[in-house]
Amino acid sequence: DVKVTQSSRYLVKRTGEKVFLECVQDMDHENMFWYRQDPGLGLRLIYFSYDVKMKEKGDIPEGYSVSREKKERFSLILESASTNQTSMYLCASSSGVGTGYQPQHFGDGTRLSIL
Amino acid sequence: GQQLNQSPQSMFIQEGEDVSMNCTSSSIFNTWLWYKQDPGEGPVLLIALYKAGELTSNGRLTAQFGITRKDSFLNISASIPSDVGIYFCAGRGNTGNQFYFGTGTSLTVIP
Repeated sequence: DVKVTQSSRYLVKRTGEKVFLECVQDMDHENMFWYRQDPGLGLRLIYFSYDVKMKEKGDIPEGYSVSREKKERFSLILESASTNQTSMYLCASSSGVGTGYQPQHFGDGTRLSIL
Repeated sequence: GQQLNQSPQSMFIQEGEDVSMNCTSSSIFNTWLWYKQDPGEGPVLLIALYKAGELTSNGRLTAQFGITRKDSFLNISASIPSDVGIYFCAGRGNTGNQFYFGTGTSLTVIP
């Protein structure tokens, strides 16, 4: 079974702090994704990566950056946290390249509150 | 980015009833997925569809890839309390690796 592990289930930070959310997958997947989930808006893609050191912007990258130094690990960074970044953050991974992308497998999420 | 129209937004049903929900897109998709998210957990893949007209079952769940390739449907038969959760559709087009997600259908089953 695919295992996607997010480092924290709940996190509380203060406005202006630099925040790191970590995600690790154990299936040697090429692709990794970060989403945020807000009520009524579904899942919105922040960033994704299809290879080590590669990253692509999703639909809402502003205020975020990512790092993928190793294949199994994908980090989401909030450079200067703001209250409107309070949300549930979901990490996902998938295998495949080109038109052969496979369905994504998700972690359990990190519920982040910015005070 | 593209967002899929998923309906209904929420459902309250009696245990034992059947459930239907659907998802529509303005674009043609080559893959449709259905996920379920339990409270406090991440989404879990239920069914994947890869061909127009395809009908696939997973226990009491049945999903269909619409003939127009712009929609998909999920049915749950004889609902039980553990069916409670949020159901998401997701679709992917011909190019790119991005899946687009619906806004979710929240299902409540009343015992």
